[in-house]
Amino acid sequence: QLQLQESGPGLVKPSETLSLTCTVSGGAISSGDFHWGWIRQPPGKGLEWIGNIHSSGSTYYSPSLKSRLTISVDTSNNQFSLNLSSVTAADTAVYYCARRRGGSSEIVYWGQGILITVSS
Amino acid sequence: QSALTQPASVSGSPGQSITISCTGTSSDVGGYNYVSWYQQHPGKAPKLMISDVSNRPSGVSNRFSGSKSGNTASLTISGLQAEDEGDYYCNSYTSSSTWVFGGGTKLTVL
Repeated sequence: QLQLQESGPGLVKPSETLSLTCTVSGGAISSGDFHWGWIRQPPGKGLEWIGNIHSSGSTYYSPSLKSRLTISVDTSNNQFSLNLSSVTAADTAVYYCARRRGGSSEIVYWGQGILITVSS
Repeated sequence: QSALTQPASVSGSPGQSITISCTGTSSDVGGYNYVSWYQQHPGKAPKLMISDVSNRPSGVSNRFSGSKSGNTASLTISGLQAEDEGDYYCNSYTSSSTWVFGGGTKLTVL
């Protein structure tokens, strides 16, 4: 059974860079036709797609976040990461990592989510 | 890209059927059969209910069904049960090779 687990700082200061890691267990991140990605949810609000990285290395980013966002893969540790620069209070959210099957809209596997608060 | 449009709330009594709509454009919902639906309970990660417009994953009740007409996708839940209460989100692929969610719909079982 595939499992995803987010890890990160919990609290980030405004203007700094948010760095999150998703550790994948139960399957190799580099194999198969899958997109590994991030989705966030501000408190009390809806889901927002952040971006994906395909197992081939191709990246796809939300247009609204593209200038501040980098998603990368570390195959040796079976992890993928998100870096979001110049954060503001508007970036406060629960961040989920997830796996989407290639050639499909389905996201079956999600992490449990991690709350990131941007505050001084 | 703008969020897909969903009703903020819907409600129904146990045993009834309800439908949640998800309206986009020809650049997302209308252009591709890559629409999925997720159920979310408070404090939990979303759960896939329907993928690729109308495919129901194994383990999801056959009371859940999906469809699409033009730029609007729909999720129908028949034989409403108390456990169906929660938030529902649609998600679509776009012509920019990105994905967009709907604003979410709160389902209340009366």
